Amino acid sequence: GENVEQHPSTLSVQEGDSAVIKCTYSDSASNYFPWYKQELGKRPQLIIDIRSNVGEKKDQRIAVTLNKTAKHFSLHITETQPEDSAVYFCAASRTGQNFVFGPGTRLSVLP
Amino acid sequence: DTGVSQNPRHKITKRGQNVTFRCDPISEHNRLYWYRQTLGQGPEFLTYFQNEAQLEKSRLLSDRFSAERPKGSFSTLEIQRTEQGDSAMYLCASSFLYGDRPDTQYFGPGTRLTVL
Repeated sequence: GENVEQHPSTLSVQEGDSAVIKCTYSDSASNYFPWYKQELGKRPQLIIDIRSNVGEKKDQRIAVTLNKTAKHFSLHITETQPEDSAVYFCAASRTGQNFVFGPGTRLSVLP
Repeated sequence: DTGVSQNPRHKITKRGQNVTFRCDPISEHNRLYWYRQTLGQGPEFLTYFQNEAQLEKSRLLSDRFSAERPKGSFSTLEIQRTEQGDSAMYLCASSFLYGDRPDTQYFGPGTRLTVL
């Protein structure tokens, strides 16, 4: 079955700097890769996603890149703000299958 | 609020008791998923439904766990003879699967279970 690894487990950046979180997956048939942000005590919220037929997607300060050959994808947050502090989860799935989540990255943006 | 809702939000029970959680998905969504999340971990898949049919159950789901979605709308997750290891956040998510479009999942607020 699918296995998703995520690095780093914790990340601290200065406000205004960029943050990058990387995930690798094992199932070459996976074709959908969402990223969720979870603040303490709250539900996971979708922030961006990418399908396997696209190499990069951007939404304001957030971007995701996908390398199908190497089976890894990354979340990029530019101009980080304190409200970006949260736990970020990547996931991988095939269409219509359950998501397999990574273990999460705790991002702290220091003022 | 038209998002996914879950009840109760918190449940404290004694070991050996049965508990039942409810999830109300976004109304037009045909897929409903249950996940378990423990502190510091990502959500862990338990089971999912398409309409009223339960299509997959994780090997993690022991026979003490059962889930239903009788009319293809809300779903219930029951845990019988609870154990302390069942303490976790139980998350529900729903999506709309159509063709080969990705079925983006939207999560509910979760039910936090504490087994004493």
